[in-house]
Amino acid sequence: AQKVTQAQTEISVVEKEDVTLDCVYETRDTTYYLFWYKQPPSGELVFLIRRNSFDEQNEISGRYSWNFQKSTSSFNFTITASQVVDSAVYFCALIFSSNTGKLIFGQGTTLQVKP
Amino acid sequence: KAGVTQTPRYLIKTRGQQVTLSCSPISGHRSVSWYQQTPGQGLQFLFEYFSETQRNKGNFPGRFSGRQFSNSRSEMNVSTLELGDSALYLCASRQRNPQETQYFGPGTRLLVL
Repeated sequence: AQKVTQAQTEISVVEKEDVTLDCVYETRDTTYYLFWYKQPPSGELVFLIRRNSFDEQNEISGRYSWNFQKSTSSFNFTITASQVVDSAVYFCALIFSSNTGKLIFGQGTTLQVKP
Repeated sequence: KAGVTQTPRYLIKTRGQQVTLSCSPISGHRSVSWYQQTPGQGLQFLFEYFSETQRNKGNFPGRFSGRQFSNSRSEMNVSTLELGDSALYLCASRQRNPQETQYFGPGTRLLVL
């Protein structure tokens, strides 16, 4: 089965705290592509990052960082020094090579950052 | 470049009616995908069009259909609306290859009464 799981339904933090959003996936494919999207209250899905299954190098972009571990089938997302503007629903998603480009989404994690 | 645009943004229909939603991709993008988002089922893939051909289809009933025009704009149609069709319908575009990043529009919120 091909599946993406975001076990954390809701997370609440106080501004300036660090927060990690978990994502695990299941697939038998050897080639796949990993994504994170942010959905603010307006509804539009905003692209954050894309990784392919052959590139396990972690990435940092400003306050955002991603930890991809193929051995544990996880692709976690950390926000450092969170801000109120980070409040949104975050989705982890995958394209499996056998699925011809269909994005399979996790259930999403609602992040609330309180001032 | 302008982003993905969707019209209308909000729609209210009654059961049994049909509805057509429109999506204009980012300039130069030839692939358009549609997704349905509901609180219960989350984000689910409807279908994808590339060069006016349906390239992939999700697990939805035949009441859901789509098409793509030569300028890559796409429409999706839902016939015989049911209450459960109330959802946010999101359109995404990418250049051509299935593994590329999809960029999403603001969505159309459909309410079926």
